Amino acid sequence: EAGVVQSPRYKIIEKKQPVAFWCNPISGHNTLYWYLQNLGQGPELLIRYENEEAVDDSQLPKDRFSAERLKGVDSTLKIQPAELGDSAVYLCASSIYYGHYEQYFGPGTRLTVT
Amino acid sequence: RKEVEQDPGPFNVPEGATVAFNCTYSNSASQSFFWYRQDCRKEPKLLMSVYSSGNEDGRFTAQLNRASQYISLLIRDSKLSDSATYLCVVTADDKIIFGKGTRLHILP
Repeated sequence: EAGVVQSPRYKIIEKKQPVAFWCNPISGHNTLYWYLQNLGQGPELLIRYENEEAVDDSQLPKDRFSAERLKGVDSTLKIQPAELGDSAVYLCASSIYYGHYEQYFGPGTRLTVT
Repeated sequence: RKEVEQDPGPFNVPEGATVAFNCTYSNSASQSFFWYRQDCRKEPKLLMSVYSSGNEDGRFTAQLNRASQYISLLIRDSKLSDSATYLCVVTADDKIIFGKGTRLHILP
């Protein structure tokens, strides 16, 4: 069974540029999560989807971050414009449903903003 | 008080020894508890869930103490391959909160 797929794995951009990350969850997983992880810190939830509905986006900085999961399968997270402080690893995870808490994480996208 | 707190370590432990670390949480209404393992520059992976009655999986034992609001992870007969960061995860009020992790180094 394929795991959670993320792309790109690495991205270097200049500040004020836009950037997008893509995630394809495990087949059949209804819940999808985007996390941000800084060095030496635990993952911080940005947004959680149940199918195509964003049910928790309270920690998403909506002035510059946006996300979508149009068909309830793969998802895109966008930052526009990027700031130096956005440099981090962006992790996508999925689970069968929210009550089934075992989350499977993708390898992450390491973003560097210069 | 932070929602989920862990000693960042590092814990430097000789191979074969037993090591334990705790994770405290602030919300007394927290519902579910987990330990995840994260290797350097890798993604987190579920190690084990923590049940009210405790949970044991081979060399790993997890305990929950609701009265004192902490969970613990005990690793017996530690192996070099146990070197990693151990993340505590707590769910409360429909939110999932990760701790910052405890770094463990097993020394040969």
